[in-house]
Amino acid sequence: DAGVTQSPTHLIKTRGQQVTLRCSPKSGHDTVSWYQQALGQGPQFIFQYYEEEERQRGNFPDRFSGHQFPNYSSELNVNALLLGDSALYLCASSTLTSGRVNEQFFGPGTRLTVL
Amino acid sequence: AQSVSQHNHHVILSEAASLELGCNYSYGGTVNLFWYVQYPGQHLQLLLKYFSGDPLVKGIKGFEAEFIKSKFSFNLRKPSVQWSDTAEYFCAVRGYSGGYNKLIFGAGTRLAVHP
Repeated sequence: DAGVTQSPTHLIKTRGQQVTLRCSPKSGHDTVSWYQQALGQGPQFIFQYYEEEERQRGNFPDRFSGHQFPNYSSELNVNALLLGDSALYLCASSTLTSGRVNEQFFGPGTRLTVL
Repeated sequence: AQSVSQHNHHVILSEAASLELGCNYSYGGTVNLFWYVQYPGQHLQLLLKYFSGDPLVKGIKGFEAEFIKSKFSFNLRKPSVQWSDTAEYFCAVRGYSGGYNKLIFGAGTRLAVHP
């Protein structure tokens, strides 16, 4: 049973560019959450997708957007990249029960470097 | 707003020493509490969780944590650490704040265990 997978593993971009990160959830999971983990910090919640809609969002600007596909996989898009966007981007998948997220399983992350 | 504070950023221990990592959270309502671990080069993994009931919870690999509601704390303990416990440990809280679905992480504690 494959766990959560993310691609690419590493990415280098320059300021002002746009980037798309991808996530495939664990089998049987329908909810995907994205987190940003800057160096030396804990993961920070970006947003969560369920039934192809953004259900909840953290304190991130509109430059951060996402999408969920019918097969539950998800993309994170970041526009107009800033140096401060350099971080490890984590995807976590889970199921929902009565509107509440069950245990989240994390992927290995995508390391984004903005030069 | 919810927040999580981990008291120690770096901890160095010798094998067989006892471990206690502090975690305090800020939130007045019902919370779920978690400890995650990230071994070098690996994904974030769930160590243990507290939802309700017995405030002393046991997790994998001999770890346990105690929820003390009056102190807003959820400290992680292990009686005797091993070299293989070298990792980064994250405390996280999940509480209702516009949705019961996002995890708020602490900054993490990096544990190094020397043989």
